[in-house]
Amino acid sequence: GAVVSQHPSRVICKSGTSVKIECRSLDFQATTMFWYRQFPKQSLMLMATSNEGSKATYEQGVEKDKFLINHASLTLSTLTVTSAHPEDSSFYICSANYYSEAFFGQGTRLTVV
Amino acid sequence: GDSVTQMEGPVTLSEEAFLTINCTYTATGYPSLFWYVQYPGEGLQLLLKATKADDKGSNKGFEATYRKETTSFHLEKGSVQVSDSAVYFCALSLLFTGGGNKLTFGTGTQLKVEL
Repeated sequence: GAVVSQHPSRVICKSGTSVKIECRSLDFQATTMFWYRQFPKQSLMLMATSNEGSKATYEQGVEKDKFLINHASLTLSTLTVTSAHPEDSSFYICSANYYSEAFFGQGTRLTVV
Repeated sequence: GDSVTQMEGPVTLSEEAFLTINCTYTATGYPSLFWYVQYPGEGLQLLLKATKADDKGSNKGFEATYRKETTSFHLEKGSVQVSDSAVYFCALSLLFTGGGNKLTFGTGTQLKVEL
């Protein structure tokens, strides 16, 4: 099957700094990728749809200026959490479609201290 | 809005025990339903799916039947193994039968199987 790689798997950053998370489709091209967020004991919530070569589509309630998404190539989407605060601490996971099936990255555990 | 409710974990079972993880959904249309599994340190993987009422998805000994009348998609396995220890997510998608887009997830249920 297709492989989606997400990096880093864990990151700890200081409050006020920015963190970039990468999502790569290793053996296929993905014009669309998806970014999810999961709080402890809650569902994965779709944050935004990343579109190659155009602006991302954000779900209602997600701050686009805080969660910057760049999909500059057919195999890479990045999520940058800007001016991170402790409430941004969460599990972030990306996915990409290959022949209509969703393939997920390993996820990134972000802790803001 | 659309939502998925699944039983809270963690669920701890002995090897060869019978497994049921309950999942119910609320949707405005006719969703496709999925079970994903996440093994430690890995991404989510599609375990099985069903795209219409009364369909049964199955894979690796796991089964789930799409029950429209009870809006349920319970996951079952007759005899679990230690290697089944993972987090299981129930999900729905209304947009594409392939289920790749805009999945709505349940909270996940952690399963631990002991010898």
